[in-house]
Amino acid sequence: NAGVTQTPKFQVLKTGQSMTLQCAQDMNHNSMYWYRQDPGMGLRLIYYSASEGTTDKGEVPNGYNVSRLNKREFSLRLESAAPSQTSVYFCASSTSGGFLWQFFGPGTRLTVL
Amino acid sequence: AQSVSQHNHHVILSEAASLELGCNYSYGGTVNLFWYVQYPGQHLQLLLKYFSGDPLVKGIKGFEAEFIKSKFSFNLRKPSVQWSDTAEYFCAVVAGSQGNLIFGKGTKLSVKP
Repeated sequence: NAGVTQTPKFQVLKTGQSMTLQCAQDMNHNSMYWYRQDPGMGLRLIYYSASEGTTDKGEVPNGYNVSRLNKREFSLRLESAAPSQTSVYFCASSTSGGFLWQFFGPGTRLTVL
Repeated sequence: AQSVSQHNHHVILSEAASLELGCNYSYGGTVNLFWYVQYPGQHLQLLLKYFSGDPLVKGIKGFEAEFIKSKFSFNLRKPSVQWSDTAEYFCAVVAGSQGNLIFGKGTKLSVKP
């Protein structure tokens, strides 16, 4: 089992460019999550999907959109990247709709110039 | 809103020293408590968790944590640290059964060989 995988691992964008971060899990988990990690801030929830077909905003959703493509995949899209979105993005998954038992991916380091 | 406080931003210890990292949360009801570790360049891994029962929880790699409900605390301890424990440690809380996973800002631990 690969667990939670994320692509790409690194990305540099120019302000205004768009991109999609991909996340997939092979643990048959129902719930998936996107977090961003900034120095001195811990992890903050951007969006989550409690089950296939549902998505909900987290603490910091502005500037992002998500798609739960199927049970395995949950993508995060930046439509018009801004320097404030420079961060490390982590995807996670868990078995149930609650936030317990989360498994994290390796992260995507995004720099917006 | 729930919050998690980690009072130590950076802790520097010599090998074999004892470790205690503080974590306090603000929520009066039932909580589920976690400690995650992030080794340099890696993703978050679960060290230990508390849902209910014995308030002294043992995790991987010799770590333990004690839940003290009256103090709203869940401090992480290890009797003797090793250089390989150098990492960032995050305390996290889920309030009730359906709350979000709220992270503290993290404590960076540096262990000198």
